[in-house]
Amino acid sequence: AQRVTQPEKLLSVFKGAPVELKCNYSYSGSPELFWYVQYSRQRLQLLLRHISRESIKGFTADLNKGETSFHLKKPFAQEEDSAMYYCALRQGAQKLVFGQGTRLTINP
Amino acid sequence: SQTIHQWPATLVQPVGSPLSLECTVEGTSNPNLYWYRQAAGRGLQLLFYSVGIGQISSEVPQNLSASRPQDRQFILSSKKLLLSDSGFYLCAWSRKQSSYNEQFFGPGTRLTVL
Repeated sequence: AQRVTQPEKLLSVFKGAPVELKCNYSYSGSPELFWYVQYSRQRLQLLLRHISRESIKGFTADLNKGETSFHLKKPFAQEEDSAMYYCALRQGAQKLVFGQGTRLTINP
Repeated sequence: SQTIHQWPATLVQPVGSPLSLECTVEGTSNPNLYWYRQAAGRGLQLLFYSVGIGQISSEVPQNLSASRPQDRQFILSSKKLLLSDSGFYLCAWSRKQSSYNEQFFGPGTRLTVL
C-alpha cells in the first residue's frame, strides 16, 4: 500500500539554524512527491514538487529512491518558516496521499 | 483566476443532528474535487473525491457522504452526526489536465459535535 510517513509531529529549531523535515514513503513504482505548507491563518498550499527540482523560499527536497525519502531542508531557518508541513505522494491520476504533518516552530 | 469557497467557517452541532458542508469553485470548469479531514496527529485524510457530476469515490468507511450536484459544487453530508465527526474539513480542487495534480485548498470548516 502507498504510504507517507512523517516521523516528527513537532520540530523546533532556532532562527538561523538548519532545518530538516523528514518524509519517508512506500510506493512500488516511480513516485511523484510534494511538500505542502500551511502558515498560520492561511490555506494549505503547494510548497514544492520533486519533479521540478526547485528551491522555494530557500527550501529544497531531494528524492532518494534508495532510502525512499523526500526530506525537506533549509540551511538557515527564518521565523516566517514556522508552519505546518505535509509531505504528499501522488496516487494514480487524481489523488494524493498525505503524511501526518510536522509542525515546525522557529524560535527567535 | 480560480477561487474555492467553503461554508460555514465554523459549525457546532449536537450529536445525532444532520450535517451539510458546501464547497464551490469559481474560475474553472470540470475540476476534480476532494473532501479531506485534518486531525491533529492524524494528518490529512482523504474522505471523498469526484471527477465529475454525480461521480463520487469514497476513500474510507464512515458516517459521512458526499454529493456533486453541479460541476463546481461539492457537498459533504451526514444524516446523524457522531462525536467522532468533529474535526477540520478541507475542500480542494485540481485540474484534470495537470500532470502534477496540484491541489488547491479552501479555507476549511471547523466542525464541533457536542
